[in-house]
Amino acid sequence: NAGVTQTPKFQVLKTGQSMTLQCAQDMNHEYMSWYRQDPGMGLRLIHYSVGAGITDQGEVPNGYNVSRSTTEDFPLRLLSAAPSQTSVYFCASSYLGQGAGYGYTFGSGTRLTVV
Amino acid sequence: DAKTTQPNSMESNEEEPVHLPCNHSTISGTDYIHWYRQLPSQGPEYVIHGLTSNVNNRMASLAIAEDRKSSTLILHRATLRDAAVYYCILRDKAAGNKLTFGGGTRVLVKP
Repeated sequence: NAGVTQTPKFQVLKTGQSMTLQCAQDMNHEYMSWYRQDPGMGLRLIHYSVGAGITDQGEVPNGYNVSRSTTEDFPLRLLSAAPSQTSVYFCASSYLGQGAGYGYTFGSGTRLTVV
Repeated sequence: DAKTTQPNSMESNEEEPVHLPCNHSTISGTDYIHWYRQLPSQGPEYVIHGLTSNVNNRMASLAIAEDRKSSTLILHRATLRDAAVYYCILRDKAAGNKLTFGGGTRVLVKP
């Protein structure tokens, strides 16, 4: 099925460990982004990309790295996990052809716990 | 980034219409008005978007004020499945097409 696929769905890390959250989309969307959602809160933008080879920071980029080597994939790397990074992470993608005139498609999320 | 203001929560009875207001007084000419909803334990789901004219789709209608400083999402007949947090967001081409989420409106639907 077409859409945004996030893996893993659940992950527990120890403080200081690193890991990569995977995001893939098969809709040929130029725009991809990562959000985090803390309990009872709205979504905050971490990083985004408008195409392969181009990335930029969002509101809360510290502690996270991204790269965009292909149109389809946009992995999010946690360099050294901290308890403050316990959250649900959502990946989203969209067309850019008409600027802001397209809706986002979101993945189902990765629930990360750092102990 | 242009910001939006929404009520924290609203209640509705099942099968009645729901009108969700959103104020965006600092909207710019290139901002599209987007609405998303988030069901419990799920990722956000696109509902509708518009620029200047009112829009309808199978999920909802979007009414945009003539000066574009406010909009209203209309759910024509609320069902229990419509209970969710609804986010009104401005997507700005000039700001990298980002979506910046606010607090949203929590909609409760009573049977």
